[in-house]
Amino acid sequence: AQSVTQPDIHITVSEGASLELRCNYSYGATPYLFWYVQSPGQGLQLLLKYFSGDTLVQGIKGFEAEFKRSQSSFNLRKPSVHWSDAAEYFCAVGPLEGFKTIFGAGTRLFVKA
Amino acid sequence: DADVTQTPRNRITKTGKRIMLECSQTKGHDRMYWYRQDPGLGLRLIYYSFDVKDINKGEISDGYSVSRQAQAKFSLSLESAIPNQTALYFCATSDSRDRGSEQFFGPGTRLTVL
Repeated sequence: AQSVTQPDIHITVSEGASLELRCNYSYGATPYLFWYVQSPGQGLQLLLKYFSGDTLVQGIKGFEAEFKRSQSSFNLRKPSVHWSDAAEYFCAVGPLEGFKTIFGAGTRLFVKA
Repeated sequence: DADVTQTPRNRITKTGKRIMLECSQTKGHDRMYWYRQDPGLGLRLIYYSFDVKDINKGEISDGYSVSRQAQAKFSLSLESAIPNQTALYFCATSDSRDRGSEQFFGPGTRLTVL
């Protein structure tokens, strides 16, 4: 069965430190993989997506993600976190039947000064 | 103007009341979705629609119904609200012409059932 796992419910990093958010997926075929960000009081916004090609994908706001097929992972990274990055981050996989997408449970990022 | 809008943004209601949440989009997408978000559970799909004539149940459709009034409008109803339907509800759209299309989300409706 298809699934997405984000092992970390919340993470706290210092401003300026590097960030890595983990995502593991289970999917029978080659998936589209997505990372979305949800800022407080807002809907989800796409950070980046991957389907094929270079396994290192660049997104908006300085984020990148690396697809590792052997590990079924699609981890999100940022070299230097800013206070404005505090938000909840969702990994997602699709398309399933009907163009559905499965979302992970989310990782809430806290940034300390 | 936002591409995907939801009304109302916040709603407090009582158990047993009928509630309708509305979603409109200007993206011209054919596919629309309703999700609910609960802490620690991520987003769970309630209903989705391929076009005006096609409505499909998601993983948690019990207690909910939907109506696709036009390609641009997709409403979610709670016929008799109960407290465990207190959640944040999102509408989303996607374009079937792009197999890898991401979903575009509205700002959400925070529903509280007392």
